[in-house]
Formats: sequence, structure tokens, C-alpha cells
Amino acid sequence: EPEVTQTPSHQVTQMGQEVILRCVPISNHLYFYWYRQILGQKVEFLVSFYNNEISEKSEIFDDQFSVERPDGSNFTLKIRSTKLEDSAMYFCASSPGRHGSPLHFGNGTRLTVT
Amino acid sequence: AQKVTQAQTEISVVEKEDVTLDCVYETRDTTYYLFWYKQPPSGELVFLIRRNSFDEQNEISGRYSWNFQKSTSSFNFTITASQVVDSAVYFCALSESYTSGNTGKLIFGQGTTLQVKP
Repeated sequence: EPEVTQTPSHQVTQMGQEVILRCVPISNHLYFYWYRQILGQKVEFLVSFYNNEISEKSEIFDDQFSVERPDGSNFTLKIRSTKLEDSAMYFCASSPGRHGSPLHFGNGTRLTVT
Repeated sequence: AQKVTQAQTEISVVEKEDVTLDCVYETRDTTYYLFWYKQPPSGELVFLIRRNSFDEQNEISGRYSWNFQKSTSSFNFTITASQVVDSAVYFCALSESYTSGNTGKLIFGQGTTLQVKP
């Protein structure tokens, strides 16, 4: 069964550095998402992406964040100037886009900002 | 505004006990979908079930069953004869219809940590 893949599984970075988290969604899916889960807390929506542009974003997704689908297969989340509070598990998800389709999640990237 | 509440933060049971995880949701939409996801200790999010707002039939899949009641805005999840492998965090989630401008995103509850002891 096709799956969403995320790399790296764990990323350690220093405060103030930029990080790029990578995702390869399921190939025939049309909607892409990033979520964040701070340790022990709920899974929070960051952004949805459709037709090569952001279709919705949460208030967490401020100017520090950006997303891109550079080559038609990868879907990236860039965090500029990371802060300690950006430490979390970041999940990528994709969906075929049919109404009510479940989101298929990757295994996540654990980001640790020191 | 859409909201999902899972009031039970942690539940601990002994193996073979039945356990019900509660989920209450809020939405102004008449068309919406409800989901349950499992997050085992390894961390991934595993889709368990989807229910649409027009289908209030209960569903059973093996030891898992789901009770959807629109009148109380609840979508509860019961595990019968729990096993140690059921130990995980379980999330209930809501998705509103695309016609209300939603992009298919899921809004998650806070999660319920289930510990099943041998």
C-alpha cells in the first residue's frame, strides 16, 4: 500500500538556524498538509496545500514557516530562524481530496531545537 | 467554530476489560466527517475509522466498535476485550465539508492515552 514518507526521522538544529522538513505524499493525492505535535500534546493543524498554493493556514503558521512543492513529488516545510518552542514532531499528510477522505500521515520528523 | 473534546486524558485497564473512549464535537456544518486515529508508542498516526454526519449506524470491526450519536454530538469508541497491544494514544478528529470552505483538514481532540496492563 502506498504511503507518505518523511525525511529525516529526527532533526537536531540550533536556535536561529533554518530547517527544511521533507515529505513525499502519495502520488495520486491532491491535498497536502503539515501538522505539529508538541510532546504529549494534541496534533495541531499548520497548513493545507492544493494546486500549488496554500489553501488554508492556522495562526501557528506565521511568517517563520513556508511550504513548497518544488518538483511535483516532494512537499517541504521550511522553518526559518528556529526557536526552542518549535521543538515538536512534524507530520506530513496527504489526501486524494474526495470529500471526507481520511488523511494519510507520514511517520513524522522529530525536530529538536537546542 | 469546530472543536473536538476528549475529556478522558488517560485510561488504565487490565487486559480483557472493555473500555470506551469518549469524543464530543462541535460544528455548525450539517455535513461533516468524524475520524478516529491511533498513535502507538512508535509515534505514527494510524487511521481507524471514518463516519459521515448522515450515517448514524454503529459500526463494529473485530474488537472495535463505534457509536455515533448526533443528538449528543458524540462519537465514542469501544474496545472489547482489550489487549496490551491496544496501548496507545487515541485521537478523535473532525472534518467539515468543502462547501463550507474547509480544505479537508482534520481538527483533532486532545487525545486519550490508553494503557492496557497485562
